[in-house]
Amino acid sequence: DGGITQSPKYLFRKEGQNVTLSCEQNLNHDAMYWYRQDPGQGLRLIYYSQIVNDFQKGDIAEGYSVSREKKESFPLTVTSAQKNPTAFYLCASSMRDGYTFGSGTRLTVV
Amino acid sequence: AQKVTQAQTEISVVEKEDVTLDCVYETRDTTYYLFWYKQPPSGELVFLIRRNSFDEQNEISGRYSWNFQKSTSSFNFTITASQVVDSAVYFCALSWVSGNTPLVFGKGTRLSVIA
Repeated sequence: DGGITQSPKYLFRKEGQNVTLSCEQNLNHDAMYWYRQDPGQGLRLIYYSQIVNDFQKGDIAEGYSVSREKKESFPLTVTSAQKNPTAFYLCASSMRDGYTFGSGTRLTVV
Repeated sequence: AQKVTQAQTEISVVEKEDVTLDCVYETRDTTYYLFWYKQPPSGELVFLIRRNSFDEQNEISGRYSWNFQKSTSSFNFTITASQVVDSAVYFCALSWVSGNTPLVFGKGTRLSVIA
């Protein structure tokens, strides 16, 4: 079945460490997105990519980095520069038929 | 700039009551898409509906109905005869052109249906 796979579901890291969240899709979608969710804040856009080897900053890109070397993959790195990285992260992809979301990764930094 | 406002942060209703979730949007685009998603406690987003800006017809799907009014820039969602399984966070979202542009989300409305 086609879909988006985010791994892992839960991730714990020590403060000051970089961590990479995985997002893979087999839907042949051109565009991919990363959103961050905090309680009461809704979903805020971190980065998005409309085509391989190109990506754009979203509203809260500071402290994050991404790459899009393959159409299927859009990993997100949470760097030590991100001041408050503990959150729920959702990856999505899209084409004209709509948007598909992964099941999310809950990152806790201790 | 695009913006979605969901003024209701939390709503609690008793089972079998009807409930309406409000969504007001802002955009300068003439072509856009509006969405509603449901997020149960497990966290995944469940797609409910997509509506394009040229289609103002209301839609009904079972206990769910949507009222789209361009004159007031609103896209409200009504659940009839609510059930405990409807308890979730509901998000309204907007995109410029559905396909390769980001969704802009409201902050969500947490609905609690009490048995």
